[in-house]
Amino acid sequence: GAGVSQSPRYKVAKRGQDVALRCDPISGHVSLFWYQQALGQGPEFLTYFQNEAQLDKSGLPSDRFFAERPEGSVSTLKIQRTQQEDSAVYLCASSLDRYTGELFFGEGSRLTVL
Amino acid sequence: QKEVEQDPGPLSVPEGAIVSLNCTYSNSAFQYFMWYRQYSRKGPELLMYTYSSGNKEDGRFTAQVDKSSKYISLFIRDSQPSDSATYLCAMSDTGRRALTFGSGTRLQVQP
Repeated sequence: GAGVSQSPRYKVAKRGQDVALRCDPISGHVSLFWYQQALGQGPEFLTYFQNEAQLDKSGLPSDRFFAERPEGSVSTLKIQRTQQEDSAVYLCASSLDRYTGELFFGEGSRLTVL
Repeated sequence: QKEVEQDPGPLSVPEGAIVSLNCTYSNSAFQYFMWYRQYSRKGPELLMYTYSSGNKEDGRFTAQVDKSSKYISLFIRDSQPSDSATYLCAMSDTGRRALTFGSGTRLQVQP
């Protein structure tokens, strides 16, 4: 497709369960970002990839959060042992080059932890 | 205190009104300033992108950056019901790719 694709769009998990969220960026986009958006708040940075290299993971809230982009295209955000405070929308964004530029966001994966 | 402050609204205006949205920030290293629009249950989409200080106009939208006051604005002229959305300011510095977002202002344009 033409845009950033995320799946699943909605995920309900029981506390303690592991989840995996997938992001398919726009073809050819070098940079890929993950953001977390709580209800009524702006997105908060989690991590950034340039091709397959994870250059910044300073926003990951705990070691339960892990992201990968092994072949420089599709990325997966994994959350282990989910907690209620992990409930949020997880947004993926990509951009064409390695410099500060326009980010194209996906529609997000809405995670609810019961 | 957050690095970027934005009034959450909601801001309700009649169709055709001029809308003014604002953000203040504390990090003087910010050089790139953006406004995103986010419809309900959708991802943010870029409206305006400005480097350093000054004004930028695109159709009905004008973005202003005043780095001396650490204050940015977005003006929407001739507002339309389709402009009803949450508007997010975002900014970054030259050394880091991550964007720092405001909390968003919800705008409602009444027909």
